[in-house]
Amino acid sequence: EVQLVESGGGLVQPGKSLRLSCAASGFTFDDYGMYWVRQVPGKGLEWVSGINWNSGTIGYADSVKGRFTISRDNAKNFLYLQMNSLRAEDTALYYCAKWSGKWFGEPGRFDYWGQGTLVTVSS
Amino acid sequence: SFELTQPPSVSVSPGQTATITCSGDKLGDRNACWYQQKPGQSPVLVIFQDNKRPSGIPERFSGSNSGNTATLTINGTQAMDEADYYCQTWDRSTVVFGGGTKLTVL
Repeated sequence: EVQLVESGGGLVQPGKSLRLSCAASGFTFDDYGMYWVRQVPGKGLEWVSGINWNSGTIGYADSVKGRFTISRDNAKNFLYLQMNSLRAEDTALYYCAKWSGKWFGEPGRFDYWGQGTLVTVSS
Repeated sequence: SFELTQPPSVSVSPGQTATITCSGDKLGDRNACWYQQKPGQSPVLVIFQDNKRPSGIPERFSGSNSGNTATLTINGTQAMDEADYYCQTWDRSTVVFGGGTKLTVL
């Protein structure tokens, strides 16, 4: 059974940093691209960042470029999101999602999602 | 940037057919997929590659994609199908989501 378990969310002040983690199990982690997708409560889905199977290709939404860094540890089956210079508009539920293929940017879909971890940016 | 447009809400009576549309420029030239999200839950893939159902998704869910519009159809809609539905495609290596449609079964 595929499982994606996010952690690391919480309340943080504007300008501060937070690191999200996603523990993956139930599939061959280094065979797939992985993404972070966020959702403001009551609003729609927004792609944040993606990484291909070997970390060779990475992408970010314009809204987080230069502030967020995605990474993965294939030996430990973990996906990470380092979030710096956080803003109030980054407040959202952050989902870890498994891509259907190896490569970032290839056509595909999210075939599994975690339960999300809530990030609240407020003073 | 590429945009996908969905109606904010759709209503359907139990047992009837629900149709949710997703519009984008020449969307039919790309593959589209659909996610269902119930309150307090994570999204679940219900249609991929325009019209394929993942294992475990009921046959009443179907999809199509042509021209500028992808369509999710739910035949014999049940109360349990009440949820938000999001379409998704990709453009120049980025994932694109529609704004979501709230399906009400009443």
